[in-house]
Amino acid sequence: QVQLQESGPGLVKPSETLSLTCTVSGGSISNYYWTWIRQPPGKRLEWIGYIYYSGATNYNPSLESRVSLSVDTSKNQVSLKLSSVTAADTAVYYCARARLLFDAFDIWGQGTMVTVSS
Amino acid sequence: DIQMTQSPSSLSASVGDRVTITCRASQGIGNYLAWFQQAPGKAPRSLIYAASSLHSGVPSKFSGSGSGTDFTLTISSLQPEDFATYYCQQYDTYPLTFGGGTKVEIK
Repeated sequence: QVQLQESGPGLVKPSETLSLTCTVSGGSISNYYWTWIRQPPGKRLEWIGYIYYSGATNYNPSLESRVSLSVDTSKNQVSLKLSSVTAADTAVYYCARARLLFDAFDIWGQGTMVTVSS
Repeated sequence: DIQMTQSPSSLSASVGDRVTITCRASQGIGNYLAWFQQAPGKAPRSLIYAASSLHSGVPSKFSGSGSGTDFTLTISSLQPEDFATYYCQQYDTYPLTFGGGTKVEIK
């Protein structure tokens, strides 16, 4: 069965760039939309953006100036970069998969906690 | 952005109880509404899409209804593994937005 696994540093310093990877196992990255979502402690879930396997992207306007998504089909990985982080970026970060642009997610990763602190 | 409001934010129930959670969208979203379950330390589990369709492998004790702005998730007979937090999410309009969650606890 298809599984998603987020990975990356659990601690990032303020003003630096947060980098995370979502590795897809048991299936292909092709023909799907790959989304990043985060949940700060005690707050609601926030959509960060998506990338289609072809490379097309769409970002949340609230983060658009700082976020970048990329895809590596040879490694079956999707990556997230968030620059100039502050404590407000402390959150659990999830990746999720959808088949269509306007579609529900069918699979989620377990999530990875990232803390922004000096 | 479309605001998603869930109620209640938490509830206490017993094994075997029937539970209903509501979700309201700030504007009409047709049936572009999903529900998912999150248990501590586990990956979110997608339950329902298109307001009322069950994802593969999801037991029929879960059901969803509604369209437009008002939606419900019902669990017909709570089991120990169902005690978790439930979220609604709209996928009618970007940015995608989520409800605040409903934590279902054991009474």
